[in-house]
Amino acid sequence: KNEVEQSPQNLTAQEGEFITINCSYSVGISALHWLQQHPGGGIVSLFMLSSGKKKHGRLIATINIQEKHSSLHITASHPRDSAVYICAVMEYGNKLVFGAGTILRVKS
Amino acid sequence: GAGVSQSPSNKVTEKGKDVELRCDPISGHTALYWYRQSLGQGLEFLIYFQGNSAPDKSGLPSDRFSAERTGGSVSTLTIQRTQQEDSAVYLCASTATGAQGYTFGSGTRLTVV
Repeated sequence: KNEVEQSPQNLTAQEGEFITINCSYSVGISALHWLQQHPGGGIVSLFMLSSGKKKHGRLIATINIQEKHSSLHITASHPRDSAVYICAVMEYGNKLVFGAGTILRVKS
Repeated sequence: GAGVSQSPSNKVTEKGKDVELRCDPISGHTALYWYRQSLGQGLEFLIYFQGNSAPDKSGLPSDRFSAERTGGSVSTLTIQRTQQEDSAVYLCASTATGAQGYTFGSGTRLTVV
């Protein structure tokens, strides 16, 4: 079993829909990251969370430390949101452990 | 610089050759990480540098892989006697102490033929 599990693996949405991507992890962590990777492009760090909730524009990330679960929400989705979204946890140490990613496609 | 710079962006090499990949982090970032993303697989940690401390090399897959960081800035990842399974995108990231999140470079796509 992977230490970081993401769901769904693939997600197709219609423009304007509310999107949720989930991440569960099985180890103790000091922080959780949500990353975005566009096709052929680099990786952008969206959020780093250690508790609660963060919001940036149409993106919201939440984490429940007790349940070892985080969600990334996208409101009013747009085709430019199409990308791979990766959950990564920082264990008590210095390295990130990555989920397999969720491939999101938003259709207009 | 304004971002994390990696070079080359693409590298094709023959099996058995040595390669060097370079990462130039954001000025002032004390932490530097190397990760790789193999085709169809997720990202995996390779090595971590923090200031003048000994690097965390726990992710290096074999003794053919080594990395150094000179003067606390530029880092070089060296792969000796490359194998086809080394083909991947090698990503560098840096962060300042206490920073909220990483800045990733655009990666070096290594193809071993």
